[in-house]
Amino acid sequence: QKEVEQNSGPLSVPEGAIASLNCTYSDRGSQSFFWYRQYSGKSPELIMFIYSNGDKEDGRFTAQLNKASQYVSLLIRDSQPSDSATYLCAVIKAAGNKLTFGGGTRVLVKP
Amino acid sequence: ETGVTQTPRHLVMGMTNKKSLKCEQHLGHNAMYWYKQSAKKPLELMFVYSLEERVENNSVPSRFSPECPNSSHLFLHLHTLQPEDSALYLCASSQDTGDLRSNYGYTFGSGTRLTVV
Repeated sequence: QKEVEQNSGPLSVPEGAIASLNCTYSDRGSQSFFWYRQYSGKSPELIMFIYSNGDKEDGRFTAQLNKASQYVSLLIRDSQPSDSATYLCAVIKAAGNKLTFGGGTRVLVKP
Repeated sequence: ETGVTQTPRHLVMGMTNKKSLKCEQHLGHNAMYWYKQSAKKPLELMFVYSLEERVENNSVPSRFSPECPNSSHLFLHLHTLQPEDSALYLCASSQDTGDLRSNYGYTFGSGTRLTVV
């Protein structure tokens, strides 16, 4: 079983709709969770961080964490063509430990 | 210069060559990392340096040799590479405070696109 799993996509979303991305992780000791956005040919860029169960909102982005079910999700509201990218889920097991990435979900927002 | 800078951006090398990748962070972070990103594979952690000491080596072949002379600089020395080593090599840095509520988000450099011929 992979440590961090994501559906590779592509997830096709009409402009203005909500994109919903899911990520599951295998280690119950995971403590901190991140969402990165990576445009083609570019490096990953941090967009969200969450460590407590529940929702965390930042602009059009909402991260949702459920430690009991071992999943973290990302919602992108009012999706724009500029949101077309690969979204990487990453987890840290404990303070100071390494960041482990999922394979990423490719999102395509169509005008 | 701000953030994390990597040089060169692109590198083509033969299997018998020796080259080095350079990373410099201007964020005052205390930890630096090398990741490898191959097509259709997750980002793979290669090396972790915390306070200039190597704390993790994820079973990386010895043809990759890291060096961290100070908290701002990180190198990856390459020699006798194989074509399957062709990938995007990403450097990242972070501030490890020991507090889970702090944002541990890594800041990545732009990467070096390596092609081994």
